[in-house]
Amino acid sequence: EPEVTQTPSHQVTQMGQEVILRCVPISNHLYFYWYRQILGQKVEFLVSFYNNEISEKSEIFDDQFSVERPDGSNFTLKIRSTKLEDSAMYFCASSQRLQNTGELFFGEGSRLTVL
Amino acid sequence: KQEVTQIPAALSVPEGENLVLNCSFTDSAIYNLQWFRQDPGKGLTSLLLIQSSQREQTSGRLNASLDKSSGRSTLYIAASQPGDSATYLCAVTMNTGFQKLVFGTGTRLLVSP
Repeated sequence: EPEVTQTPSHQVTQMGQEVILRCVPISNHLYFYWYRQILGQKVEFLVSFYNNEISEKSEIFDDQFSVERPDGSNFTLKIRSTKLEDSAMYFCASSQRLQNTGELFFGEGSRLTVL
Repeated sequence: KQEVTQIPAALSVPEGENLVLNCSFTDSAIYNLQWFRQDPGKGLTSLLLIQSSQREQTSGRLNASLDKSSGRSTLYIAASQPGDSATYLCAVTMNTGFQKLVFGTGTRLLVSP
């Protein structure tokens, strides 16, 4: 069964360093998303991406964050200068259609620890 | 602003019991509602998706209902098994926006043998 894959599964970094989290969405999906979950808190929406541009972003997604689809398969989240509060599990998701069925498929997540 | 709440926060039952997890949302202008399962340290697995025009969806031992006007959904698990132990999350999509999901707080379920 097709699945969303994410790398790395866990990354430890020093505060102020740049981090890139990678995702390979399901191949025939057109809509891509990043969510995050700080330990013990709700899963929160960060950004959605369609047709090579951001379609919606949350207040969390400030100038330190960027997303890119550098080729036909990868979807990346970059954090330019990490802060302690960026420590979280980051989930990539994809969907085939916008809202007709609306089902999102999530990856296993990338745990980011900022020291 | 949409708020999604799940009760109970945690539930412990013996194997074989039927159980109900509750989800409530403050804004009824939703497009759909999705139930997920999350195992510790793992990703989110989609269980059921209910469109706003639907009343319920079933998959195996799982049945989810939706009452949009009252802002409620329930997930019914029949004949629970230890393998059902996980955190269950509900999430809604609003009528506006590109598939942004608003998640609930989750119910942590433990089914003991």
